[in-house]
Amino acid sequence: AQSVTQLGSHVSVSEGALVLLRCNYSSSVPPYLFWYVQYPNQGLQLLLKYTSAATLVKGINGFEAEFKKSETSFHLTKPSAHMSDAAEYFCAVSGGGTYKYIFGTGTRLKVLA
Amino acid sequence: SQTIHQWPATLVQPVGSPLSLECTVEGTSNPNLYWYRQAAGRGLQLLFYSVGIGQISSEVPQNLSASRPQDRQFILSSKKLLLSDSGFYLCAWSEQVVTNEKLFFGSGTQLSVL
Repeated sequence: AQSVTQLGSHVSVSEGALVLLRCNYSSSVPPYLFWYVQYPNQGLQLLLKYTSAATLVKGINGFEAEFKKSETSFHLTKPSAHMSDAAEYFCAVSGGGTYKYIFGTGTRLKVLA
Repeated sequence: SQTIHQWPATLVQPVGSPLSLECTVEGTSNPNLYWYRQAAGRGLQLLFYSVGIGQISSEVPQNLSASRPQDRQFILSSKKLLLSDSGFYLCAWSEQVVTNEKLFFGSGTQLSVL
């Protein structure tokens, strides 16, 4: 079975500081990995996805993530946090011939002025 | 372009009452459809998914059920709600061919069972 683990349910950074949100996955087949963002009382929007092409994936709003098979990780980063980045972020995995998308428990990002 | 509609946006129901949440997708054919529940601190829990009319896969045994009476319509139901059914319910769809395509989410329904 596939799963993802997001370390840190809450992360606080200062405006302009590096954002690092952690995601580790477990999958017996080559995974497809995703990062989504959710603003309050809204659905989720895709930030970026990894589908076995380049291991460094660039997404919207300046976010990027690197797929590291040896570490089973897919951490999300952004060089400089903006106040508008405050939201909840979810890592997800799919693949293996199923149609299921399994999400992590989410990380709420707070950006301090 | 494709759109997903989910309603109602908020719902307050007494324990033991029935539930029906509806989701419809426009602008695509034969989508995969999903119901997720989001509870505080628990992330998104996959409840049901469907790859075609009348085809429902259940991920979590509980007092909820799902139906897909039409290609682009997905309904989440319960005969008798429990307090534990409270949460934020999200409908989503994806292109059916492969699972490396993204999910498109509706705006969600906040359900409070009192």
